[in-house]
Amino acid sequence: DGGITQSPKYLFRKEGQNVTLSCEQNLNHDAMYWYRQDPGQGLRLIYYSQIVNDFQKGDIAEGYSVSREKKESFPLTVTSAQKNPTAFYLCAISRDSLQPQHFGDGTRLSIL
Amino acid sequence: SQQGEEDPQALSIQEGENATMNCSYKTSINNLQWYRQNSGRGLVHLILIRSNEREKHSGRLRVTLDTSKKSSSLLITASRAADTASYFCATGRGTSYGKLTFGQGTILTVHP
Repeated sequence: DGGITQSPKYLFRKEGQNVTLSCEQNLNHDAMYWYRQDPGQGLRLIYYSQIVNDFQKGDIAEGYSVSREKKESFPLTVTSAQKNPTAFYLCAISRDSLQPQHFGDGTRLSIL
Repeated sequence: SQQGEEDPQALSIQEGENATMNCSYKTSINNLQWYRQNSGRGLVHLILIRSNEREKHSGRLRVTLDTSKKSSSLLITASRAADTASYFCATGRGTSYGKLTFGQGTILTVHP
């Protein structure tokens, strides 16, 4: 989606390794979200942030960490504590928490 | 947990026909949103209906909301092959603005 960029498109993780997924936006939106999607399933919320320097856990935060040091960036780290990390990860943004969300094109994470 | 449940899980129709997808949910909501996802891509927002609205239109899309039955439907009229995608409903929860709960989606296939 224009204005929101996720990278990389594909990522491979070795056992015991932490990996970081990037999400950048240039639309000056306050709210940012991370979701996980498993095959044939809907999205599950990992973490979300409504303002800079603040974020909250979603439904499945265990094994993940985030930071929101800048308004335009909301990186997600998949730690070695996440035992089943293989999934499609989607970042979303919204003007504020009452508005529809706009999604990036996702990062597909696999285990080596 | 997945609050929204879509029905049917898969729908196959011919071009020009109408497609109807249903969504049921369990707890109180402040809004319900419909999203579309093409294979391997991010989600695209289609329409948002607030809890005090009963019907909303956008182009070939018509959404209804029945809060007494905790259900919503998405109607796509005069479908096209390009409408082939997965469609998800997402509910905005009572006091947690911005936190969406997604259903598992309906896979729509429109045959030319």
